[in-house]
Amino acid sequence: DAGITQSPRHKVTETGTPVTLRCHQTENHRYMYWYRQDPGHGLRLIHYSYGVKDTDKGEVSDGYSVSRSKTEDFLLTLESATSSQTSVYFCAISESMREAGDTQYFGPGTRLTVL
Amino acid sequence: QQQVKQSPQSLIVQKGGISIINCAYENTAFDYFPWYQQFPGKGPALLIAIRPDVSEKKEGRFTISFNKSAKQFSLHIMDSQPGDSATYFCAASISNSWGKFQFGAGTQVVVTP
Repeated sequence: DAGITQSPRHKVTETGTPVTLRCHQTENHRYMYWYRQDPGHGLRLIHYSYGVKDTDKGEVSDGYSVSRSKTEDFLLTLESATSSQTSVYFCAISESMREAGDTQYFGPGTRLTVL
Repeated sequence: QQQVKQSPQSLIVQKGGISIINCAYENTAFDYFPWYQQFPGKGPALLIAIRPDVSEKKEGRFTISFNKSAKQFSLHIMDSQPGDSATYFCAASISNSWGKFQFGAGTQVVVTP
């Protein structure tokens, strides 16, 4: 998985609790992404980062926030988890986005269940 | 609203057969079309990709066919093997869009021995 780790790999939590997922890379890639994967929807972009402290929203960002204080770490926070956020979350990295076409490498995923 | 529509949802093919997965898009600004392969419990991995300046790209047993006028592209897996059993996602993106991909819903392929 291209030097990408995600933690935790599995988490069960209750509605209303805060949750933070961590993505750590050892590739020194500039670009990082958080996706969620749900049956029938493929992968949908939540947030992305194009540098330290530079982040922006994706197509399904409501209820999520992110932070990137170091090149290697990208955190995804659910401020108050809801059952609709039960999903598998993937982090991805990319070396360069000078033009479309640079490969995105995906981490192993975190399975989150909100009861 | 899904900008990239993928079909079928699932398919079963015998070993040695051909698997065909189709994707259609609406946004003519898309200029990069990758296919990702995902095994259970793993993250997706790039399989093959194409740009609209060519109509076909082949890598081993995997071929992308691209029809710009119809706004469609497809993945052909020739001589399918049990090890090809996985979920396949098509995607599309626009140059200089920070790598924001639009993914299809995925196709689960099962290759029977």
